[in-house]
Amino acid sequence: EAQVTQNPRYLITVTGKKLTVTCSQNMNHEYMSWYRQDPGLGLRQIYYSMNVEVTDKGDVPEGYKVSRKEKRNFPLILESPSPNQTSLYFCASSQRPGAISGNTIYFGEGSWLTVV
Amino acid sequence: GQNIDQPTEMTATEGAIVQINCTYQTSGFNGLFWYQQHAGEAPTFLSYNVLDGLEEKGRFSSFLSRSKGYSYLLLKELQMKDSASYLCAVRNSGYALNFGKGTSLLVTP
Repeated sequence: EAQVTQNPRYLITVTGKKLTVTCSQNMNHEYMSWYRQDPGLGLRQIYYSMNVEVTDKGDVPEGYKVSRKEKRNFPLILESPSPNQTSLYFCASSQRPGAISGNTIYFGEGSWLTVV
Repeated sequence: GQNIDQPTEMTATEGAIVQINCTYQTSGFNGLFWYQQHAGEAPTFLSYNVLDGLEEKGRFSSFLSRSKGYSYLLLKELQMKDSASYLCAVRNSGYALNFGKGTSLLVTP
């Protein structure tokens, strides 16, 4: 079954304690991205990756890091989380944008993160 | 940067037709998407337009005019389960995908 899997799904953490949200896809997709969703602001792109070792900043990259060492994995790293990073996070993947099948974007189920 | 505008809220009656508009300004254009999202769940894909015109898929249709920076999503024969947020998203020339803030649709009996 085609899947984008995020972990953890729910997390409460404290300010300054480094955390990683993992994202894995089993569809051999080139393109992966991270979004955060906040009330009244919609989905905002944090980082995206066109392929292994290729990452680019989205609209709100401050306070986040990513890596793409393998095609299937795209972890989101919060080195020193702050309360303003409390949000719902989504990972997404697709084939190479521009390819016909690259127009179907698969989303993970979301990770609810609370920083206190 | 990008600017994507859509109404915040809409209400429609079960069985009716509703049109949700989206206007955008982007640095380059590589397609426009519509997604449906129920509260607390992941967005699900509805439609994709890259050329001008109407794309029809069952009860849902999406229209694009690139020269006007305009799209709409048309939902026919509304059902209660169509109550959700509808997200317009535009892919720019760098392949980043940017979303509007979403339109919350309430379908009433």
